[in-house]
Amino acid sequence: RKEVEQDPGPFNVPEGATVAFNCTYSNSASQSFFWYRQDCRKEPKLLMSVYSSGNEDGRFTAQLNRASQYISLLIRDSKLSDSATYLCVVDPGGSQGNLIFGKGTKLSVKP
Amino acid sequence: EAQVTQNPRYLITVTGKKLTVTCSQNMNHEYMSWYRQDPGLGLRQIYYSMNVEVTDKGDVPEGYKVSRKEKRNFPLILESPSPNQTSLYFCATLTPHYEQYFGPGTRLTVT
Repeated sequence: RKEVEQDPGPFNVPEGATVAFNCTYSNSASQSFFWYRQDCRKEPKLLMSVYSSGNEDGRFTAQLNRASQYISLLIRDSKLSDSATYLCVVDPGGSQGNLIFGKGTKLSVKP
Repeated sequence: EAQVTQNPRYLITVTGKKLTVTCSQNMNHEYMSWYRQDPGLGLRQIYYSMNVEVTDKGDVPEGYKVSRKEKRNFPLILESPSPNQTSLYFCATLTPHYEQYFGPGTRLTVT
């Protein structure tokens, strides 16, 4: 059972490039959606929540498509410091708080 | 500073020698959980706790125990560690908005 699926990558892009990640989820009752960033051997950290209307935070834009059950993350003007693994996270609902994590997409930004 | 702390950060031990990994949070969050992260498998939840004295199994609870005697602490206990429990372990809390905050991780090696 694959509840949250992501392309594992790696995505190798040059500095300044625009890169997009997609994530699909299987539970149509899912309530909340997030993108986390994880640097090598470090803890995951919340990058941004994903709202139904889409939201933007600087160079990062997140979109949610409930009908197709996918979430996307767009990174514009990539920096070397954006190199990390990006985890798609879904709250399946049910008020237990057991978030479901995708396995992550690895991004490597090269000079 | 709001944080989740774990100790120890690194541990090398031998099969069968009981160990405890401590987790503490200062954010007064009710929900706490433990994950393990292995290459290719992503984050998998071991146990979670929705409040003091309330704990429940996650996806991979075998070989682990937890306790939640007070809100801020949620130790993970391995009564008889085995080599297949070699992994990177994360403790985490959850905000009322379902945003998860992770500790820095404990890298455990069982020989």
